[in-house]
Amino acid sequence: SQQGEEDPQALSIQEGENATMNCSYKTSINNLQWYRQNSGRGLVHLILIRSNEREKHSGRLRVTLDTSKKSSSLLITASRAADTASYFCATGTNNAGNMLTFGGGTRLMVKP
Amino acid sequence: ETGVTQTPRHLVMGMTNKKSLKCEQHLGHNAMYWYKQSAKKPLELMFVYNFKEQTENNSVPSRFSPECPNSSHLFLHLHTLQPEDSALYLCASSQDQGGEQFFGPGTRLTVL
Repeated sequence: SQQGEEDPQALSIQEGENATMNCSYKTSINNLQWYRQNSGRGLVHLILIRSNEREKHSGRLRVTLDTSKKSSSLLITASRAADTASYFCATGTNNAGNMLTFGGGTRLMVKP
Repeated sequence: ETGVTQTPRHLVMGMTNKKSLKCEQHLGHNAMYWYKQSAKKPLELMFVYNFKEQTENNSVPSRFSPECPNSSHLFLHLHTLQPEDSALYLCASSQDQGGEQFFGPGTRLTVL
């Protein structure tokens, strides 16, 4: 099965609410990255967190990493309709030549 | 804009056609990638080039043939494709393997 798996697969919230997406993985990682994809478009890098980091912020985004549980979460605060997109986590490992392995993504819908 | 361009954006081809997808990055990156994104499946890594050398071929059928003439350009030559090859093909680049990846907008391929 894939290295990174997002949960939930789909999430629908109202504008202004917070959105939390989770990612679980199986093997040791070098770093974990979150990407966003608008429908049918390329992915956009959001944030990278290294295996020795526990939390990182970027604007309204907050990412946590728990290597003991092999999990990460992405929190989007005060969501906006424009945040509607699919969000993917990707794990980078030394063993695979630093290749990224992407999860199946969480489809987020923010209703105005 | 991410600095990674892909052409064409849409392509419809028959199973006996030969076509090529083109990717160009203007970011001075050393690594370039081809991914396949099918509906309801995780992003699949197809090929990786690092300093123009192919470093990864993820068990991709020979009807897909990559070419990397220089570190700024990447092609995917298509020949005798099957309808199940219909997907969004994404190109990405990164400074080094395992780092933040910058994606192009993708080519939506339909095989009839």
